[in-house]
Amino acid sequence: DVKVTQSSRYLVKRTGEKVFLECVQDMDHENMFWYRQDPGLGLRLIYFSYDVKMKEKGDIPEGYSVSREKKERFSLILESASTNQTSMYLCASSLQLGGDEQYFGPGTRLTVT
Amino acid sequence: AQSVAQPEDQVNVAEGNPLTVKCTYSVSGNPYLFWYVQYPNRGLQFLLKYITGDNLVKGSYGFEAEFNKSQTSFHLKKPSALVSDSALYFCAVRRYQAGTALIFGKGTTLSVSS
Repeated sequence: DVKVTQSSRYLVKRTGEKVFLECVQDMDHENMFWYRQDPGLGLRLIYFSYDVKMKEKGDIPEGYSVSREKKERFSLILESASTNQTSMYLCASSLQLGGDEQYFGPGTRLTVT
Repeated sequence: AQSVAQPEDQVNVAEGNPLTVKCTYSVSGNPYLFWYVQYPNRGLQFLLKYITGDNLVKGSYGFEAEFNKSQTSFHLKKPSALVSDSALYFCAVRRYQAGTALIFGKGTTLSVSS
C-alpha cells in the first residue's frame, strides 16, 4: 500500500515563527502536493512538485514556500506564520500520469496563536 | 475556467436507503474525475475515478458514480447506505495546466441515520 506520512498530526505555533511541515511518501511517486483544507472551502492547492528540485505554485502560494531535495520528501515552509494560516494541511503524492489518483497523508492541524 | 461544484453541503439518508451525492464540473476537453472520502480526523481516501470508457464507474466500499457528459455531472451513488458511510465526500477534476494536480469541490457531508 502507498503510504504518505506527515511529520506532525497537531502543531501549535506562535505568530511570526518559521514553520516546517514535512511529508514523505514511500512509493517512488514523481508528483507531490500540498493542500490546505478549511471548512466550506474544500481543498485548495498551495504548491506542487513534479520532480526533485522542481516546484509550481498552486492557487494560494502567498506566505508559503516549498522544498523538494529528495524524491520522497516534500516540505512546506511558512516563513512567518500568521493566524490566517491556521488550517489543516494535507500532503499528497501521485504517479506522473494524468489519470492516476492522489494518495493523501493524515494531515497536520496547525494552529497559529 | 475549470471548476467543480458540489451543490449540497449536507445529505441526510436513512440506513438501507439509496444515496446520491451530487457533483457537476466545468472543464475544457475530456475530464478526468475523482471522488474521495474523508472520515473524521483522517486524510482523504480515494473512492473511484472516471477517465474514459463506461459511464458507470464502480469503486471502493460499494460506491459507484455515473458520468453524464451532456449534464456535465459525476454523481456518487450507493444502492444501500450504511451508518459507517457517514463522512465528508469530495469531488475533484484534474487540472489540464498543472500535471496531475486536482481541483476539489467544497465537499458534501453525508449523514446516514440508523
